[in-house]
Amino acid sequence: DQQVKQNSPSLSVQEGRISILNCDYTNSMFDYFLWYKKYPAEGPTFLISISSIKDKNEDGRFTVFLNKSAKHLSLHIVPSQPGDSAVYFCAANGGSEKLVFGKGMKLTVNP
Amino acid sequence: DTAVSQTPKYLVTQMGNDKSIKCEQNLGHDTMYWYKQDSKKFLKIMFSYNNKELIINETVPNRFSPKSPDKAHLNLHINSLELGDSAVYFCASSPLGTGRSTDTQYFGPGTRLTVL
Repeated sequence: DQQVKQNSPSLSVQEGRISILNCDYTNSMFDYFLWYKKYPAEGPTFLISISSIKDKNEDGRFTVFLNKSAKHLSLHIVPSQPGDSAVYFCAANGGSEKLVFGKGMKLTVNP
Repeated sequence: DTAVSQTPKYLVTQMGNDKSIKCEQNLGHDTMYWYKQDSKKFLKIMFSYNNKELIINETVPNRFSPKSPDKAHLNLHINSLELGDSAVYFCASSPLGTGRSTDTQYFGPGTRLTVL
C-alpha cells in the first residue's frame, strides 16, 4: 500500500532547463511534505518542505508546489545543474514522528 | 565531524548469523531512527527512539532488536539473518521527533547488508 507515489523512475534534462519531479499521495491525513536528495553511497539529505497550509514554498532554485485537492506535489528546479543529478525522494508526514517515503526518482542533468 | 555515522558501511554474512549495525549522532538530537531501503528502493521506517525510549516500532520481525545505550547511539541487532534481510539500512536523527517544520531528519550514509 503505497501512500506516497513517485510514478516516474527517472528524468533526464539539459543543464539550464527546468526539472519537474512529481509526487502523489493517498493519505488525506498527511499535512507536511518534504523532498530529500540522495547521492550514491550517501544518506538522503533534506532539500525543501511545505506545510499543507501553503501551496508553494521557494528556496533558491528549488520550488515545491502543493495541490491538496489533487493530493499532488511537485518539485521544480530552475535552472537545473549537473550537480543536481541524484535520486529525489518525496516524503509525507501526518503529525507523528513517522515519515512515509516514495521510492525515489533519479534525475540526470546533462551538461 | 560526521553528523550521523554508521558502522560498518558494508556487511556480508551468511544466513543464520547474528550481526549488529552501529549508529552514532553528534548533533545533540533527541530522536533517532532506523530505516530499511529494500530492493524496490522504498525507504521504510523500522524503529524510532526518543531519549532512549522506543516510540515507533513498525511491523518488523522480532529478530530485529534496536538498542539505545544513550540518546546519541542507536544500534540495530539482527538475529538469525535471512536472505530477505539484504538491504541498505539507514540511521537518522532529528531534534525533537515531531516531524514538523524545523524538525528535519538527518541521515547516515547507510549500511549495505548482504545475506548469502
